[in-house]
Amino acid sequence: DVKVTQSSRYLVKRTGEKVFLECVQDMDHENMFWYRQDPGLGLRLIYFSYDVKMKEKGDIPEGYSVSREKKERFSLILESASTNQTSMYLCASSYRGVNTEAFFGQGTRLTVV
Amino acid sequence: AQTVTQSQPEMSVQEAETVTLSCTYDTSESDYYLFWYKQPPSRQMILVIRQEAYKQQNATENRFSVNFQKAAKSFSLKISDSQLGDAAMYFCAYANYGQNFVFGPGTRLSVLP
Repeated sequence: DVKVTQSSRYLVKRTGEKVFLECVQDMDHENMFWYRQDPGLGLRLIYFSYDVKMKEKGDIPEGYSVSREKKERFSLILESASTNQTSMYLCASSYRGVNTEAFFGQGTRLTVV
Repeated sequence: AQTVTQSQPEMSVQEAETVTLSCTYDTSESDYYLFWYKQPPSRQMILVIRQEAYKQQNATENRFSVNFQKAAKSFSLKISDSQLGDAAMYFCAYANYGQNFVFGPGTRLSVLP
């Protein structure tokens, strides 16, 4: 079974803190994604990576950065957490090319106070 | 840019009845994939069904089937013999080969006993 694992299921951080969300996949997928999920807005892409050390901005990259030093790991970084970044964060991975399907982690619910 | 629209924020169905969830999308590509994902209260996103755009035949997975109208850019999901375990958020999604996945805002489905 494909497994995408996010480091935390729930996280509470203070305004201004630097926050790291980690994601690991075990299927040698080229693509990895970070989405933010908010009610009524669906899933919005923050960043995606199609290879090690490669990244592309998604629809809402402001206030976020990412790191992909190894193929299996994709980290989302909130440089200085703010209350408007309180949300559900979903990591996903997929093969690049045909038979593409996104496999998701279990989500991290982040609260910034 | 591709967009995905789900016009029904909430739907309900009686147990054992049939329900159809609507989805429309916009793209200038001719080859792509369309998906329906289910997100139960556990938050784990699960693939329900996938359709390749080059295939004219509508995809079917047990009680789940789609009505894919490529010219109209419409991709609806039909759930037959609805069960209590079908209650969840349902997201329609689009993906181009090797590119990122674009999601609709979701439809919350309730199943009434």
